[in-house]
Amino acid sequence: GENVEQHPSTLSVQEGDSAVIKCTYSDSASNYFPWYKQELGKGPQLIIDIRSNVGEKKDQRIAVTLNKTAKHFSLHITETQPEDSAVYFCAARDLQGAQKLVFGQGTRLTINP
Amino acid sequence: ETGVTQTPRHLVMGMTNKKSLKCEQHLGHNAMYWYKQSAKKPLELMFVYNFKEQTENNSVPSRFSPECPNSSHLFLHLHTLQPEDSALYLCASSQDFGGGAADTQYFGPGTRLTVL
Repeated sequence: GENVEQHPSTLSVQEGDSAVIKCTYSDSASNYFPWYKQELGKGPQLIIDIRSNVGEKKDQRIAVTLNKTAKHFSLHITETQPEDSAVYFCAARDLQGAQKLVFGQGTRLTINP
Repeated sequence: ETGVTQTPRHLVMGMTNKKSLKCEQHLGHNAMYWYKQSAKKPLELMFVYNFKEQTENNSVPSRFSPECPNSSHLFLHLHTLQPEDSALYLCASSQDFGGGAADTQYFGPGTRLTVL
């Protein structure tokens, strides 16, 4: 089955700098990759997703890139702000097979003022 | 977050107790999910219901029993749990469960369960 690895497990950046979180997946059939943000005491919230027919997607300060050949995808946050501090999860799903989301282990992002 | 609500938010129970977790979605979705979130582990899918029918049981022990009386409500009945079952239990819903663009999952805030 699908296996998703996420790095780093913790990330600390200065306010205004960029943050990058990377994920790799094992199943080449996977073609849907969402990113979730989880703040303390809340459930995960979808922030951006990408499907395999595109290589990059951007929404204001957040972007996701996908390299299907290498089977990895990344979350990029620019001009970070204190409210970006949270745990971020990547996930992958095989839309042809089990159709289950498999999550990475999470990255705790801290933005230092 | 008001789209998917979960009660209770916190629950402490003994190993011999029976309790239930409740999830309600106000989004008009057809699919609902239970996930387990343990410290330092990825989110684990437990159950999937699509149009009230269970489509996925991810090898979950029988001490966890789901119930989906309609597309808006999902329960997780708990009995004779173990301390290692302590975790955050998350409910999610999506418009469909068919592999298309309507599969985006929306999560509730979770129930923090502690088994003594």
